[in-house]
Amino acid sequence: DAGVTQSPTHLIKTRGQQVTLRCSPKSGHDTVSWYQQALGQGPQFIFQYYEEEERQRGNFPDRFSGHQFPNYSSELNVNALLLGDSALYLCASSLTGTASYEQYFGPGTRLTVT
Amino acid sequence: KQEVTQIPAALSVPEGENLVLNCSFTDSAIYNLQWFRQDPGKGLTSLLLIQSSQREQTSGRLNASLDKSSGRSTLYIAASQPGDSATYLCAVTTDSWGKLQFGAGTQVVVTP
Repeated sequence: DAGVTQSPTHLIKTRGQQVTLRCSPKSGHDTVSWYQQALGQGPQFIFQYYEEEERQRGNFPDRFSGHQFPNYSSELNVNALLLGDSALYLCASSLTGTASYEQYFGPGTRLTVT
Repeated sequence: KQEVTQIPAALSVPEGENLVLNCSFTDSAIYNLQWFRQDPGKGLTSLLLIQSSQREQTSGRLNASLDKSSGRSTLYIAASQPGDSATYLCAVTTDSWGKLQFGAGTQVVVTP
């Protein structure tokens, strides 16, 4: 049973560019959440997708957008990259409606903005 | 607004000692609390999940307790080993859709 997968593993971009990160949820899961983790800090909630719609969003600007596909996989897009966007981006999947609310995390994508 | 705090930020112990990691949260209206392990530059590995109705959860050398009324959780790791060196994060689930609020983590070093 494949867990949560993310691609790419590492990415280097220049200020002002755009980037797309990808996530495939654990088999059987229908909900994908994205988190940003800056160095030395805990992950911060960006947004969550369910039934191909953004269900809730954290305190992140509109430069951060996403998408969920019919197979439940998801993309995170960041436009007009800033140096401060350099971080580890984590994807978590879960199954809505279960009593445990447990989140399963992928290995992350390390984004470096120069 | 929910805030999660982990103290200390860093901890170094000799091999064989027991580890005690603390997590506190300001709003007791949580759905559950999870403890994660993170190795440098890697993703999160779930260690234990305690439902809001539970008081503790155990897995091998790991034991986590939860006191919702006081807003505290403690992770105990018995007989620490160098392989336990990592950053340990606690997170509370703040809504029915599973949104997590994390602490900043405790960086643990176990010396041989």
